[in-house]
Amino acid sequence: QKEVEQNSGPLSVPEGAIASLNCTYSDRGSQSFFWYRQYSGKSPELIMSIYSNGDKEDGRFTAQLNKASQYVSLLIRDSQPSDSATYLCAVGPWGKLQFGAGTQVVVTP
Amino acid sequence: EAQVTQNPRYLITVTGKKLTVTCSQNMNHEYMSWYRQDPGLGLRQIYYSMNVEVTDKGDVPEGYKVSRKEKRNFPLILESPSPNQTSLYFCASSLSRSGGQTDTQYFGPGTRLTVL
Repeated sequence: QKEVEQNSGPLSVPEGAIASLNCTYSDRGSQSFFWYRQYSGKSPELIMSIYSNGDKEDGRFTAQLNKASQYVSLLIRDSQPSDSATYLCAVGPWGKLQFGAGTQVVVTP
Repeated sequence: EAQVTQNPRYLITVTGKKLTVTCSQNMNHEYMSWYRQDPGLGLRQIYYSMNVEVTDKGDVPEGYKVSRKEKRNFPLILESPSPNQTSLYFCASSLSRSGGQTDTQYFGPGTRLTVL
């Protein structure tokens, strides 16, 4: 059983709509949670980090963490074609992040 | 410019021929790590290093070696590559642990390795 689970997608989102991505994890002791964006053939780049329960907003991105239910989510508001990518969820402890396989997002005009 | 560099970016080799993929960072980061990425499996950690001369196994260390003799460099060594090591490899670095939180990992551009 994978320790970090994501729907592989593709998640098709109309331009301007909200994309909602989910991630569940198995290690209750995890302390650090990240969302990375990866364009095809490129390296992952960090877009959000969250460490406490609740919401964290950064521009058009909102990360939500619920440790009791062991899930973390990412909302992308006003989706743009440039948001078309694979989004990777990563879960700590420090030094040994576990990554999900990623959710592919396709923003359609 | 702050960056993580990897060389080579692309490599095709044959089974059993030893190879080294270099990784270097210019940000004075303490922590460095190697991942492989395979379709459907995501990024899996091979080895990581918390500082010079301190390395530890990740989730998939078999068939790989690493060394950390200098802070900026963290080479990945495949002593006897096999076809199942065909993959996309990423090196990453981050500053250190701070307040119990993980610092941002910066990823290199990746090395696409094919073992025939």
